[in-house]
Amino acid sequence: SYVLTQPPSVSVAPGQTARITCGGNNIGSKSVHWYQQKPGQAPVLVIYYDSDRPSGIPERFSGSNSGNTATLTISRVEAGDEADYFCQVWDSSSDHVVFGGGTKLTVL
Amino acid sequence: EVQLVESGGGVVQPGGSLRLSCAASGFTFDDYAMHWVRQAPGKGLEWVSLISGDGGSTYYADSVKGRFTISRDNSKNSLYLQMNSLRTEDTALYYCAKDTGNSGRNWFDPWGQGTLVTVSS
Repeated sequence: SYVLTQPPSVSVAPGQTARITCGGNNIGSKSVHWYQQKPGQAPVLVIYYDSDRPSGIPERFSGSNSGNTATLTISRVEAGDEADYFCQVWDSSSDHVVFGGGTKLTVL
Repeated sequence: EVQLVESGGGVVQPGGSLRLSCAASGFTFDDYAMHWVRQAPGKGLEWVSLISGDGGSTYYADSVKGRFTISRDNSKNSLYLQMNSLRTEDTALYYCAKDTGNSGRNWFDPWGQGTLVTVSS
């Protein structure tokens, strides 16, 4: 089955740039979606189709996908961005949705 | 406004059964596939099951296949998850989520707030 690998944690100072990776075999050939989950809340979509932002999501959030790695980039990080972030794809070989293990973003 | 409200969670003994429901509003329900996703305490997201907009296609994670059944009643704008032969490892917060397409191969937006299932003796 298809596996998505994320770093368990990423730490960044306010105002800096956070990059959260999502690794998978030839993930560049798939569409990657990202969710933000704050404590006690349901996940919220922040990036879809690798790099598109839903309405209401700040321009500071961006995404890219190539080769074996997809990346969620958060520019000018704020304290309110502290959350868990999950990547997601559709695996057509198994007809399964696959989530990465999640990355906890800590704002120092 | 799109709303998804889950219900039916609770405490059940191993081997028992439970039926979850998700009431949807604010969109044309049968135009969209729907998913169940679960999250064990302190853990990540695990996809559970998917049903197409017309209910004709269903898919399951290997961990629940043969034990869980997803269904929908488009006349009632409702999604269901029948869970049988429950195990302690099924303990989790169960979310329903709306797909952005009819087939279920897209992204999830929005998610409900979840209903907690605890399997314990």
